[in-house]
Amino acid sequence: AAGVIQSPRHLIKEKRETATLKCYPIPRHDTVYWYQQGPGQDPQFLISFYEKMQSDKGSIPDRFSAQQFSDYHSELNMSSLELGDSALYFCASSSGTGFPNEQFFGPGTRLTVL
Amino acid sequence: ILNVEQSPQSLHVQEGDSTNFTCSFPSSNFYALHWYRWETAKSPEALFVMTLNGDEKKKGRISATLNTKEGYSYLYIKGSQPEDSATYLCAFFYSPMNYGGSQGNLIFGKGTKLSVKP
Repeated sequence: AAGVIQSPRHLIKEKRETATLKCYPIPRHDTVYWYQQGPGQDPQFLISFYEKMQSDKGSIPDRFSAQQFSDYHSELNMSSLELGDSALYFCASSSGTGFPNEQFFGPGTRLTVL
Repeated sequence: ILNVEQSPQSLHVQEGDSTNFTCSFPSSNFYALHWYRWETAKSPEALFVMTLNGDEKKKGRISATLNTKEGYSYLYIKGSQPEDSATYLCAFFYSPMNYGGSQGNLIFGKGTKLSVKP
């Protein structure tokens, strides 16, 4: 069965650079979520999109932006990268935003900021 | 601030041992609780979605119970095997009051890391 695809899987950037992470949801899923997991931390919700519109916003810094495109894939854009942005970034997809909201996770993108 | 607490943080058991761990979550405005299994270098895999107080779900040797009134869920693994070694995450589905469950997101605990020695 098709799963959530994330690219790239690993990314190394310098401070103050920009990065773009991509997420391709499971076919026919219309909702995408982004999570950030710092070293030793639990996953923190960043932002979600439903039918190409932002549906919820969590602890996403102002330096980050995201969007969902017409084919339902999503991109997380991160600018002025800081050392503290080094983390594993997960994308998840679901059908709809309401409960029980079973989310299916991608393999994650590991971002390292040097 | 909504908190999802998991205990213990880590657990080391021998193959064949049975084990259990706990997830505590807010008992008000409950909609759903999720359990995920997360192996290193893989994405979290959904185990259970629990929605009803008193719910008990089972998948092979793994089962989970739910108490929404007191805000806890237990995950049990019977006869642990080395392949059960993973981090087990629970996540509480949070929906703001005015959405009534039609929209929300998951709040994760920090997980319980289970290591099963052969």
